[in-house]
Amino acid sequence: GENVEQHPSTLSVQEGDSAVIKCTYSDSASNYFPWYKQELGKGPQLIIDIRSNVGEKKDQRIAVTLNKTAKHFSLHITETQPEDSAVYFCAAMATDSWGKLQFGAGTQVVVTP
Amino acid sequence: DTEVTQTPKHLVMGMTNKKSLKCEQHMGHRAMYWYKQKAKKPPELMFVYSYEKLSINESVPSRFSPECPNSSLLNLHLHALQPEDSALYLCASSPGNQETQYFGPGTRLLVL
Repeated sequence: GENVEQHPSTLSVQEGDSAVIKCTYSDSASNYFPWYKQELGKGPQLIIDIRSNVGEKKDQRIAVTLNKTAKHFSLHITETQPEDSAVYFCAAMATDSWGKLQFGAGTQVVVTP
Repeated sequence: DTEVTQTPKHLVMGMTNKKSLKCEQHMGHRAMYWYKQKAKKPPELMFVYSYEKLSINESVPSRFSPECPNSSLLNLHLHALQPEDSALYLCASSPGNQETQYFGPGTRLLVL
């Protein structure tokens, strides 16, 4: 089955700096890669996603890159703000998985003013 | 509108109680999911419903019983739970199986 590894487990950045979170996956059949942000006491919120026919996608301060050959994908947050502080999860879904998302372990991001 | 609602927000129950969690979406999504999330861990898939039929059961103990009465509603019936079942229970929905999943706020369950 699919295995997703996520690094780092914690990330502390100064406000205004960039943050990068990296994930690797094992199943070459995976073709969908969402990123979720989870604030304390809330459910995961989709922030950006990418499919395997695209190498990069950007939405304002957030971007995701995908390297299918190396089986890794990354989340980039630029000009970080205190409200970006949360736990971020990457996930992967294979074509034959019936909607089963395999999550990474999560990254606790702390943005200090 | 990408809203999934869940009730109740919090639930405390004893090991002999029977309770139910409710999830609702009005986005016309045809797939709905139950996840369990322990503190500082990612969500773990429990059940998947596709077109109101159970398509995945991730070997969940029978004390958890899902039900999908219609395409907008998903229930999780709880009976004879154990303290280790205390967790955040998340519902999600997606237009189809292989599409983006939108999560609800969750029900925080405490089993005493």
